[in-house]
Amino acid sequence: DAKTTQPNSMESNEEEPVHLPCNHSTISGTDYIHWYRQLPSQGPEYVIHGLTSNVNNRMASLAIAEDRKSSTLILHRATLRDAAVYYCILRGYNTNAGKSTFGDGTTLTVKP
Amino acid sequence: EAGVAQSPRYKIIEKRQSVAFWCNPISGHATLYWYQQILGQGPKLLIQFQNNGVVDDSQLPKDRFSAERLKGVDSTLKIQPAKLEDSAVYLCASTPGAKGNEQFFGPGTRLTVL
Repeated sequence: DAKTTQPNSMESNEEEPVHLPCNHSTISGTDYIHWYRQLPSQGPEYVIHGLTSNVNNRMASLAIAEDRKSSTLILHRATLRDAAVYYCILRGYNTNAGKSTFGDGTTLTVKP
Repeated sequence: EAGVAQSPRYKIIEKRQSVAFWCNPISGHATLYWYQQILGQGPKLLIQFQNNGVVDDSQLPKDRFSAERLKGVDSTLKIQPAKLEDSAVYLCASTPGAKGNEQFFGPGTRLTVL
């Protein structure tokens, strides 16, 4: 399985933008880039996913490099409720979803 | 729409005892996953069901772990006998199909083995 690399931790100030990076140099042409986050004492929740083009939804934006070897999850205005572990995973559209592995993610701390 | 339900939320047992966890996926979701999440790590897939059949159980320690989804709806995961290293959060997730984009996770069951 293609692997991803994320920083262990990041800090942000409340109401400032946050850019969470993810490297996936071995990504294949059919792999989608997915982001999940896990709030304390909860299960992971879906944030966003994309293939080649940048994507926006109500939670975040996903910026994908032109060569697709890296991506960045953007939280436009961090709130205290965004403090969580953020996971970047690769998932082939036509492959078994369970085959994609979660790494250890990035722990985001938001300071008031 | 109701989410993925899991029970119990917390369980404390002694080593060598047995324990069972229950999961009810989102209505209509054919695919169900059980994950183990050790503190400080990401979730690790234990087993995946498609309806009532097993799709992948390659990382399930079959000497002590078992899981079933008899009617293709809810599922149970059992550990017998438990070891200290089984202390973890056990997460259940579901998707409409095996190749869906978005997994829906339950809140998990936190197991402590003493």
